[in-house]
Amino acid sequence: SQTIHQWPATLVQPVGSPLSLECTVEGTSNPNLYWYRQAAGRGLQLLFYSVGIGQISSEVPQNLSASRPQDRQFILSSKKLLLSDSGFYLCAWSGGNNSPLHFGNGTRLTVT
Amino acid sequence: GNSVTQMEGPVTLSEEAFLTINCTYTATGYPSLFWYVQYPGEGLQLLLKATKADDKGSNKGFEATYRKETTSFHLEKGSVQVSDSAVYFCALADNNNDMRFGAGTRLTVKP
Repeated sequence: SQTIHQWPATLVQPVGSPLSLECTVEGTSNPNLYWYRQAAGRGLQLLFYSVGIGQISSEVPQNLSASRPQDRQFILSSKKLLLSDSGFYLCAWSGGNNSPLHFGNGTRLTVT
Repeated sequence: GNSVTQMEGPVTLSEEAFLTINCTYTATGYPSLFWYVQYPGEGLQLLLKATKADDKGSNKGFEATYRKETTSFHLEKGSVQVSDSAVYFCALADNNNDMRFGAGTRLTVKP
């Protein structure tokens, strides 16, 4: 069966520090991969999605970036965090067109 | 473009009450429709889905019917429990890998 792992679960970082959140998927090949952000009490904001290695689409211009160095690995990064980057970050995968998303457990990021 | 609109919350019900959370969508083509549930501090879990018109998705006592004529996918449950307290998201996915979510509806069930 397919599983998705996302870490760390919680993270507290100072303003201006770098960020790296990692997500891996097991049990499937060539998944579509997604990064979402959820601000407190708000809905989901799609940040990045990827349909293959090295293929990244950005939905919202900001100081975050994403990379997909391997088929089942998706990394969210920032060189310098802002206070507004605080939130709950969710990684997800899907099997393709019309398929549901399967989410990781999320990373709660607090920028201080 | 595609979009999903769901009723604003929060919704507060007493245990064993009937639940309806409205969801309507706008899409070209024939999307698949989903309901997700998010418990506090966790990621989203797929609750149910429907892939074509008139399909009924069901799980854990929740149901939703894909209504193409009204472009709706309302979530219903006949008798809610305290453990159903969570945030519910309506979503659609189309043939172009475009996944759209509603804003979420927070449900609180009181004993």
